[in-house]
Amino acid sequence: KQEVTQIPAALSVPEGENLVLNCSFTDSAIYNLQWFRQDPGKGLTSLLLIQSSQREQTSGRLNASLDKSSGRSTLYIAASQPGDSATYLCAVRGSSNTGKLIFGQGTTLQVKP
Amino acid sequence: DAGVIQSPRHEVTEMGQEVTLRCKPISGHDYLFWYRQTMMRGLELLIYFNNNVPIDDSGMPEDRFSAKMPNASFSTLKIQPSEPRDSAVYFCASSPDMGGDYGYTFGSGTRLTVV
Repeated sequence: KQEVTQIPAALSVPEGENLVLNCSFTDSAIYNLQWFRQDPGKGLTSLLLIQSSQREQTSGRLNASLDKSSGRSTLYIAASQPGDSATYLCAVRGSSNTGKLIFGQGTTLQVKP
Repeated sequence: DAGVIQSPRHEVTEMGQEVTLRCKPISGHDYLFWYRQTMMRGLELLIYFNNNVPIDDSGMPEDRFSAKMPNASFSTLKIQPSEPRDSAVYFCASSPDMGGDYGYTFGSGTRLTVV
């Protein structure tokens, strides 16, 4: 059974810092991995999707990497801003035959001005 | 497009009552997903539809839960009878494809409290 773990559960950094969020999964046989952002009281927003054959994806100040063999992904946020404060969730999709995503519990990020 | 619209935003009900949550997906999205989020279990997929047909309902916790999608623009998630452990935030999401390759659009959720 696939399990997804995110460490740390919470993180507080001063504005301007570069930071890394971690995601690990127990079954390396995944189809893709996605990172989402969730603001308080809101739904999720898709950030980045990495296919199993890819090593990384970039969007603006965000860079996500995937090491499928070791069951790990990282989300790198450069030059953090207070507006980046939110909960970040990673999710894995097991195969192309399913739409089911298995989510981690998330990392709650606070960027202080 | 106004995005995925869920109603109500908040629902407080007494144990044993029937609860109906509603979702309007984005027009043209063939896939609709219902998720439940709790502190203990995180975000869990309950069921998803493709072109109004349920594809995978293995996440529906028990027979008290049922979901329908009578047409491409409307879906409901019903709990009957409701129990306190059903208290959670329920999200609806839609996507043009099954795996979210083109991204998912989530609604703002319905916060359900069963007392």
